[in-house]
Amino acid sequence: GAGVSQSPSNKVTEKGKDVELRCDPISGHTALYWYRQSLGQGLEFLIYFQGNSAPDKSGLPSDRFSAERTGGSVSTLTIQRTQQEDSAVYLCASSVGTATDTQYFGPGTRLTVL
Amino acid sequence: GENVEQHPSTLSVQEGDSAVIKCTYSDSASNYFPWYKQELGKGPQLIIDIRSNVGEKKDQRIAVTLNKTAKHFSLHITETQPEDSAVYFCAAEFKAAGNKLTFGGGTRVLVKP
Repeated sequence: GAGVSQSPSNKVTEKGKDVELRCDPISGHTALYWYRQSLGQGLEFLIYFQGNSAPDKSGLPSDRFSAERTGGSVSTLTIQRTQQEDSAVYLCASSVGTATDTQYFGPGTRLTVL
Repeated sequence: GENVEQHPSTLSVQEGDSAVIKCTYSDSASNYFPWYKQELGKGPQLIIDIRSNVGEKKDQRIAVTLNKTAKHFSLHITETQPEDSAVYFCAAEFKAAGNKLTFGGGTRVLVKP
């Protein structure tokens, strides 16, 4: 079946511009995660949606970062006034339920801020 | 917060040899420890996981061992093949932070033919 998809695959933007990254999770998965992966680094947790509960935003690095999940499915990660240090691969994952359920990752969006 | 240390950061092995990656974690309440493999240009993919009620789990050429007392777990790949070349991440469930996963920094494995 279809896996997690993300768009765009690559995004180049200028410093100060806003960007929106999209994630389509696996159908029926109630949990959705956003991670950031800087070059050669591990996965940094950003935000977690679980069903209709309030999202866990504890990993967002600044108030320039926000995310929404509409209708319990598609999610959008928005970065306002991008900075060069925002350059990274942004990964989305979904799972059936809790943290102990397998997380299925999308291919990521590579963001480059010039 | 939860901390997961992963070593080594890079590992080069000859085809056919074994590879071992070790991780330590800080949250003694953690009960779930997955391992992910990330190939170039792709998202991480789960390859094996272990829960705290067992000490070892094996799936063909890969195995994971867990020592809860010492708070460390390891990935073992035997008879390595070139297609095993990738970045491997360990992770641990972090109960105190709402049951999220905390990932290690990754190990880049290169299998030389």
